[in-house]
Parts: sequence; C-alpha cells; structure tokens
Amino acid sequence: DIQMTQSPSSLSASVGDRVTITCRASQSISNYLNWYQQKPGKAPKVLISVASSLQSGVPSRFSGSGSGTDFTLTISSLQPEDFATFYCQQSYSTPYTFGQGTKLEIK
Amino acid sequence: EVQLVESGGGLVQPGGSLRLSCAASGFTFSNYWIHWVRQAPGKGLVWVSRISSDGSTTTYADSVKGRFTISRDNAKNTLYLQMNSLRAEDTAVYYCARVQRGGYFDYWGQGTLVTVSS
Repeated sequence: DIQMTQSPSSLSASVGDRVTITCRASQSISNYLNWYQQKPGKAPKVLISVASSLQSGVPSRFSGSGSGTDFTLTISSLQPEDFATFYCQQSYSTPYTFGQGTKLEIK
Repeated sequence: EVQLVESGGGLVQPGGSLRLSCAASGFTFSNYWIHWVRQAPGKGLVWVSRISSDGSTTTYADSVKGRFTISRDNAKNTLYLQMNSLRAEDTAVYYCARVQRGGYFDYWGQGTLVTVSS
C-alpha cells in the first residue's frame, strides 16, 4: 500500500497568513494526488484534483503543486472560513490512501 | 442537484451484521464508480471499498476483505455495503462518494454512523 504522510499535523495561523501543507507519498504517484477540506460534522469537500487542478467553486487562494512523491497545498491568504482539517489522498492505486490530516486552527 | 444519502447505520454488537445503503439522485448513477470511505470518531479518512459502474468489479481494503460486500442496484440508483462479523474497530461514520476520472471524490453523502459495541 502507498503511505501518505502529511506535515504538519496541526498548524496555528492568523487570518491573512500564507499557509503551506505538504504531503509525501511512499512511492511515486505521478500527479494522482487530491486535496480535501473537512469541517467538523461535515463530509470532506474536494479542493484540488490531480495535484493542481482547482475544483469549480473553490476560491483561487487555494493552489496545489507537485508530482512524483512530494506535493503541497497552499492557501495564499487565510480567511475565517478556511479553518478546518485538510487531507491529501492518492488515487494512483488501490487502496486509495489518505494522509493523516492537518488541522488548521486560528491563532 | 447531485445527492448521495446514506442510511442503515446504528448500534450493533460485535460479531453482528449491518447493511448500509446509499441512495443516489441528480446524476446517471449507472455511469459512475462509487466508493465507501469511513472515519472513526476523531480520526482520519480511510478508504473501504469501491465498485465499478456496472457492478462487475469490486475492490476492498485488507481490513474488511472477506467481511464486507459492496454491491449496487442501478435500477434503484442505490449502493450497498453489507457488513458482517463486525468488530469494535469498524466503528465509524461511513460515507459513500462518487469518483471522477483521476480518482478524486467529487460528491460525498452526509455519512451514517456505525457503532459496534456490546
């Protein structure tokens, strides 16, 4: 199975900050990497697919990059509604594994 | 509007069985692969199973293989997850999710909670 490792596990930041979350795969997954945002009590919502494709309706302050084993999710200027838990997910091969999550909290 | 609505969760004793359903609407259900993903209380997301658009291909996580069975009825626009020999570690919110080409989940249900406890 492909292991996905996110860092950091938690992050404290302020409105307006630029934030970067990283995700590393245990083997190359090309660009089959997706990012989700999950708020408490809600289902996850896809933000970025295939490493860098911004989903329809997702604000442009979210961006993704990377290929192979190393990927990043960047939020250019944090807004109050962005505080949540973020997950990466590889779709290169089954089982489709997720990172352990990054909890983004308000400083 | 695309909707996925799970049902069938509840409290079950260890060793028991439960069948989850996922009712789909707002899209052509028979055109899509659908997956189950679960989330234990306070924990992360874990992929469970998937089924092809016509139901001919199924895949399972090792942790549920031999105990869970995924199926679908395209005439009823409904996905199922039959869960047998349930264990405490199966306690989680179970989500059904539609997958798009590229393997990302573009629509999710609201989830149904399964609690395995005596």
